[in-house]
Amino acid sequence: DAGVIQSPRHEVTEMGQEVTLRCKPISGHDYLFWYRQTMMRGLELLIYFNNNVPIDDSGMPEDRFSAKMPNASFSTLKIQPSEPRDSAVYFCASSLSPSRLAGEEGGELFFGEGSRLTVL
Amino acid sequence: GESVGLHLPTLSVQEGDNSIINCAYSNSASDYFIWYKQESGKGPQFIIDIRSNMDKRQGQRVTVLLNKTVKHLSLQIAATQPGDSAVYFCAENPIHAGKSTFGDGTTLTVKP
Repeated sequence: DAGVIQSPRHEVTEMGQEVTLRCKPISGHDYLFWYRQTMMRGLELLIYFNNNVPIDDSGMPEDRFSAKMPNASFSTLKIQPSEPRDSAVYFCASSLSPSRLAGEEGGELFFGEGSRLTVL
Repeated sequence: GESVGLHLPTLSVQEGDNSIINCAYSNSASDYFIWYKQESGKGPQFIIDIRSNMDKRQGQRVTVLLNKTVKHLSLQIAATQPGDSAVYFCAENPIHAGKSTFGDGTTLTVKP
């Protein structure tokens, strides 16, 4: 398997522009996560999906951020309008069973290479 | 001006020495713990995991120890190599929860 695939790897945009980040999870994984990583706040969970349904979006900073998962093989994270403070590396990750209940395998997250966003 | 951000713990070791990286977790309901390694420019990668019904688990050159009494996790790397230089994160998962909460990370530097 190719692993979790994210695009674009790098994006530089101007304040006020719309940004769309894309993610293809590992086939067969039914959990998908969006994380943001900054020097100030470390790795923060923004939102996660189970079977394409958003389960917890309490980490989404504000209404400017939205995420969708129209099918099991694709998710987007959109920022509109973007602001300089949104500059960060955004990671997508997928998993079989994050809580790894007794007898289950595959609790770890598989991360993509990240999308580095710079908002000027 | 002075930069403000996370002050990641750092650990510098000589090649061939053993490394111990520590992590304190916060949620007593956490049931499953994972260590990840993040190399520069890449996403975190799984190293080893442990469930709360265990206090030790060994992998290849790595050992994770769990002390639930004081909510402490450690990662031991034997015979540390230059390729082990990275930021190491612990993550905790409350039972039946779908999400992992990551610690701040520790930067490991291996000197040849």
